[in-house]
Amino acid sequence: RKEVEQDPGPFNVPEGATVAFNCTYSNSASQSFFWYRQDCRKEPKLLMSVYSSGNEDGRFTAQLNRASQYISLLIRDSKLSDSATYLCVVTRQGRRALTFGSGTRLQVQP
Amino acid sequence: DADVTQTPRNRITKTGKRIMLECSQTKGHDRMYWYRQDPGLGLRLIYYSFDVKDINKGEISDGYSVSRQAQAKFSLSLESAIPNQTALYFCATRGGAEGGYTFGSGTRLTVV
Repeated sequence: RKEVEQDPGPFNVPEGATVAFNCTYSNSASQSFFWYRQDCRKEPKLLMSVYSSGNEDGRFTAQLNRASQYISLLIRDSKLSDSATYLCVVTRQGRRALTFGSGTRLQVQP
Repeated sequence: DADVTQTPRNRITKTGKRIMLECSQTKGHDRMYWYRQDPGLGLRLIYYSFDVKDINKGEISDGYSVSRQAQAKFSLSLESAIPNQTALYFCATRGGAEGGYTFGSGTRLTVV
């Protein structure tokens, strides 16, 4: 089983829609969680960190459920510019690098 | 200038050739990483370094070597390139144990 699993998509949604991605992680000792965004053929860029209490940044909301070992990303009022691949990233104490999911591709259509 | 600079941006090389990918950063971070990305497989860790005397293998280090020439420079070498090393390679830095990465723009390597 992969340490971090994501639905690869693609998720095709119309502009203005709300879309949610889930990501599951296998190691209960995981401590830090992030969502990255990657545009085609570009480098990943940090979208937001994910905290136990949940956090929001404009149209984006991230949630962490430690009991079920998943994190989620909610995008409200989707824009064409939100089209990208969203990478779920985790790490744990004693592990000196981040572990990336394979990504979920989002395509927002006019 | 970019915080993390990778060179070259694109490279086509022949099987058996030695090739070096370079990475430099201006963020003053001690932690540097090399990843490769393949379609459907996500980013996989090749090597990482926490300072010039600290080099560690990642999950897919076979066929690769690295050199940490200075805090700001971390290069990746393919001693004898093979076609299945065709991939997008990313260098990244990290400021501490809690933060995320800053990536370079990537090197697209094709081995023919």
